[in-house]
Amino acid sequence: GNSVTQMEGPVTLSEEAFLTINCTYTATGYPSLFWYVQYPGEGLQLLLKATKADDKGSNKGFEATYRKETTSFHLEKGSVQVSDSAVYFCALSDRAVLTFGGGTRLMVKP
Amino acid sequence: SQTIHQWPATLVQPVGSPLSLECTVEGTSNPNLYWYRQAAGRGLQLLFYSVGIGQISSEVPQNLSASRPQDRQFILSSKKLLLSDSGFYLCAWSVRAGGLYEQYFGPGTRLTVT
Repeated sequence: GNSVTQMEGPVTLSEEAFLTINCTYTATGYPSLFWYVQYPGEGLQLLLKATKADDKGSNKGFEATYRKETTSFHLEKGSVQVSDSAVYFCALSDRAVLTFGGGTRLMVKP
Repeated sequence: SQTIHQWPATLVQPVGSPLSLECTVEGTSNPNLYWYRQAAGRGLQLLFYSVGIGQISSEVPQNLSASRPQDRQFILSSKKLLLSDSGFYLCAWSVRAGGLYEQYFGPGTRLTVT
């Protein structure tokens, strides 16, 4: 079956630090990959996506590259802000159903 | 543009009482619809999904049920709530575009069973 593994949090960084949140997956076939972000008390928002190997998704300064050889989709941002504090979920799509990782909480201190 | 609504936003219910949570989508036709539950500080659990009116797939056996009486309406119900039903309930929708299904989430309903 499909599965997604994320690094456990919380991840605590100072403002302007570099962010990496690791995500690896197991899937049959060729899934699409996503990162979602959840701010406190809210639903999930789609942050970025990639549909095939070597695709790079990007949005709001965040980036992730679909690495088929390492089955990874790590999320990166060069300089985090306090407003980036949230929970980040990696997910893969096998047709109409998403499989989510457990989520990684990011806390950015001023 | 598409929007998704959930209500109520918060709900406090006693153990053994019934439950009805509603989700509606605007601006799209024949979406796939999903119910998820998120326990405090934890990940997402897919409860039900639907590819059309009256078509419901259950992912986790429990005392919850789902119905889709109209194309863009998805209802989560229970006849008797348990303490373990407390959590944050999220509805989502998706359509296929360019071979890709992207899911979009509603604002959620926070349910506390006392």
